[in-house]
Amino acid sequence: AQKVTQTQTSISVMEKTTVTMDCVYETQDSSYFLFWYKQTASGEIVFLIRQDSYKKENATVGHYSLNFQKPKSSIGLIITATQIEDSAVYFCAMRESNSAGNKLTFGIGTRVLVRP
Amino acid sequence: EAAVTQSPRNKVTVTGGNVTLSCRQTNSHNYMYWYRQDTGHGLRLIHYSYGAGNLQIGDVPDGYKATRTTQEDFFLLLELASPSQTSLYFCASSDVSAEQFFGPGTRLTVL
Repeated sequence: AQKVTQTQTSISVMEKTTVTMDCVYETQDSSYFLFWYKQTASGEIVFLIRQDSYKKENATVGHYSLNFQKPKSSIGLIITATQIEDSAVYFCAMRESNSAGNKLTFGIGTRVLVRP
Repeated sequence: EAAVTQSPRNKVTVTGGNVTLSCRQTNSHNYMYWYRQDTGHGLRLIHYSYGAGNLQIGDVPDGYKATRTTQEDFFLLLELASPSQTSLYFCASSDVSAEQFFGPGTRLTVL
């Protein structure tokens, strides 16, 4: 069965610095998809970035990038030049390629606080 | 304009009460999902659907029914609400092989 683990409960960083958060996953499937979502203080859940397992190049979108280490079953999220509005809870999620219904398995989230 | 909407945004009911949560998406997606979010558990899938008339069981289905009446509309039904169902409920939609897009959430309190 697939499993997604985020061990960092919370991280605090100064504004304009870089924050990195970890996520490890378990799957028996050779092909899978990894996602990061952001949940703001208002509760809104927003898709940020994805990594397809067959792609070797790390995905990058704006000031979000991924550190995909397939042999370690790890997909870290890196946020550079952090802003106050990056304060949120970040969820890692995985979908196996043979997953019926495009089902996602989520980690429990990492809370990030960006301090001025 | 929001592509996934939920109603109501907040709901309070009593134990044994009957509750229906509504979700509508205008993304033209085939897949729709209902999740609950609780502290320490993250997002857990209750039910999902491939399309109108289709219903699939998720990971935590006990005490919940769901119905997909059209491609746009997906409903979650709690026929005998219990305090353990107090939670934040999210609806989402997606296309095949793509990321899911979430609604704003419904906070349900069962007294």
